[in-house]
Amino acid sequence: AQTVTQSQPEMSVQEAETVTLSCTYDTSESDYYLFWYKQPPSRQMILVIRQEAYKQQNATENRFSVNFQKAAKSFSLKISDSQLGDAAMYFCASGGANAGGTSYGKLTFGQGTILTVHP
Amino acid sequence: NAGVTQTPKFQVLKTGQSMTLQCAQDMNHEYMSWYRQDPGMGLRLIHYSVGAGITDQGEVPNGYNVSRSTTEDFPLRLLSAAPSQTSVYFCASSYNARTSSTDTQYFGPGTRLTVL
Repeated sequence: AQTVTQSQPEMSVQEAETVTLSCTYDTSESDYYLFWYKQPPSRQMILVIRQEAYKQQNATENRFSVNFQKAAKSFSLKISDSQLGDAAMYFCASGGANAGGTSYGKLTFGQGTILTVHP
Repeated sequence: NAGVTQTPKFQVLKTGQSMTLQCAQDMNHEYMSWYRQDPGMGLRLIHYSVGAGITDQGEVPNGYNVSRSTTEDFPLRLLSAAPSQTSVYFCASSYNARTSSTDTQYFGPGTRLTVL
């Protein structure tokens, strides 16, 4: 069984500043993936960043980076140089992987964090 | 390449009616899933499939049926709609990492369902 908890229902940031969204998880899987998804008002789910649990190095994608603390089961998302287009709901998710290291695609999502970006 | 498509985009049903939400992908993905999104609860897995002919239950399967006769299609059937099934439904698919360097789950645009 897996659980994902996002303890910040809402966050706000000034344009060009940095913001960190928190996520903690619990899983019985021996190998797993962690994801951050963005959902703008259009409702489309957009993958922001993914982290393979067996990798020590934190994933980065341009202005987005994660702080993955495996022992603490923490997976926070840092958005640098925030832009107005970053305003959205952000979901943290986890999913197990098979013996080949492939994500099953069965994701467990957190409750989401609404991010507001102020000009 | 259309990605993951879902039809319809919106639907209103009366209690007790049945309907099928359609999902199709043209990326030759092996894994497909159905989620529902309710306010304050994130997305929850309803059913998933790891290949044609293989399906299994997720976290909230009651009231829903699925089948996977082809790799491309994964329809979700509501047998007797209830107001508790009012939600936004997302279909998703992902590629087998044994044959791809990426392992991203792609989502469809969603279907907003209201049951009166």
